[in-house]
This record gives sequence, structure tokens and C-alpha cells, in this order.
Amino acid sequence: DADVTQTPRNRITKTGKRIMLECSQTKGHDRMYWYRQDPGLGLRLIYYSFDVKDINKGEISDGYSVSRQAQAKFSLSLESAIPNQTALYFCATSVTSGRVTGYEQFFGPGTRLTVL
Amino acid sequence: GNSVTQMEGPVTLSEEAFLTINCTYTATGYPSLFWYVQYPGEGLQLLLKATKADDKGSNKGFEATYRKETTSFHLEKGSVQVSDSAVYFCALRGYTGNQFYFGTGTSLTVIP
Repeated sequence: DADVTQTPRNRITKTGKRIMLECSQTKGHDRMYWYRQDPGLGLRLIYYSFDVKDINKGEISDGYSVSRQAQAKFSLSLESAIPNQTALYFCATSVTSGRVTGYEQFFGPGTRLTVL
Repeated sequence: GNSVTQMEGPVTLSEEAFLTINCTYTATGYPSLFWYVQYPGEGLQLLLKATKADDKGSNKGFEATYRKETTSFHLEKGSVQVSDSAVYFCALRGYTGNQFYFGTGTSLTVIP
């Protein structure tokens, strides 16, 4: 079945280290998103991309960067990790659509990142 | 702007009890509305959706009706099961279709 995959699923790192989280999808969707989930805060958007040449900041992009290597791949980097970036990170995909069709987002299984 | 406000949890119910999780939204234009479910250790899965006013989304015994007059999309289930224990997120896709907006999630625990 077509899928959204994330690697790694779990990662423990130290303050100041560079970390990359990877997302791949086989759904053929053009839009990809990175979110972080924190208890009591729900999902917050970090970055989103509508195609390979289109990258947009979300509400909490500071301290993060992204790369859309291909339509199917969207990576999130933490250039210098800090403890308050400890969270659950989700990648999601969707298709471009008119409002009538109301296409939803499809989520990967998440990456649990711990920064010590 | 767009936003979603949902009932705070956690919610604990006995098996076979009636469930309501409230969700209200603020949006320009005519958004699409969604409920997602997150089981322990997993990503979010779409539970149901509605794309226009008065639409009712339904799946696995869950229902929600898109009420434009009250800007609400409350989730209901007549008889919950232990397997329904999860975190539920209300979400909207804005009129332009560019972004999704999520509520903070409501944790549900169903006890036998």
C-alpha cells in the first residue's frame, strides 16, 4: 500500500549536534509538511512544501531547516539541536485540490527525538 | 485567521458510554473539516471528514456534522469500546487549501 515513511523512528542526541530527519512517500502527492507534537500543544507546523521548488515556513521554523530533494522526499534538519526541540515529529502529505474535494493529509508514523 | 478549539481532556469513559468531543472553529470562507485519531505509538489517521455545511462524516461508529451556524464539528459515538482509547484531533483545511490547522487533541481512555 502507498505509504509515508519516516527515518529514524527514535533518536537520542546531544545538545549542539546536527540532526536530520527524513521522510519519503509513495503516494505521489505534491505537498509535504513537517510538524512537531508536544503534550498539550497539539501539532505545530514547522515547514511545508508544495513542490520541489517551493518551500514555506510554518509557525515555528526557527532552529529548523528543510530540503525537498525530490517530489517524494522531504528532510528536516536541526542544525544545532537544543533540549526544547525534544518532541515527536511528523511528516505529512497531501494533494493540491480545490476546496470542494477536501483532501486530507496523510501522516507518517513519527520520529521521537530526544535532545539531552 | 483560521483556528480550531477543541475540548480539553483527558476524558475517561466506561465501555458502552456515549462520547462527545467538542470542536469549534474560526475560518474565512468555507473550510473542510476533519477528525483524526492517534493510537498509542502511531501517527495520525483520518477518522472522518466533511467538506461543506450540513455534511455528516461517519466512520467506525463515529459521526460529526459540519454546522456552519455554530461553527462546530463535534465528534460523537453512541457506544465506545476499549479499542477507541486514543487521542482525537479536530482539524480544518482552509479555503485556499494551503494549510491545515489542528486542535490540541483530546485524550480518550475507555475502561472495561
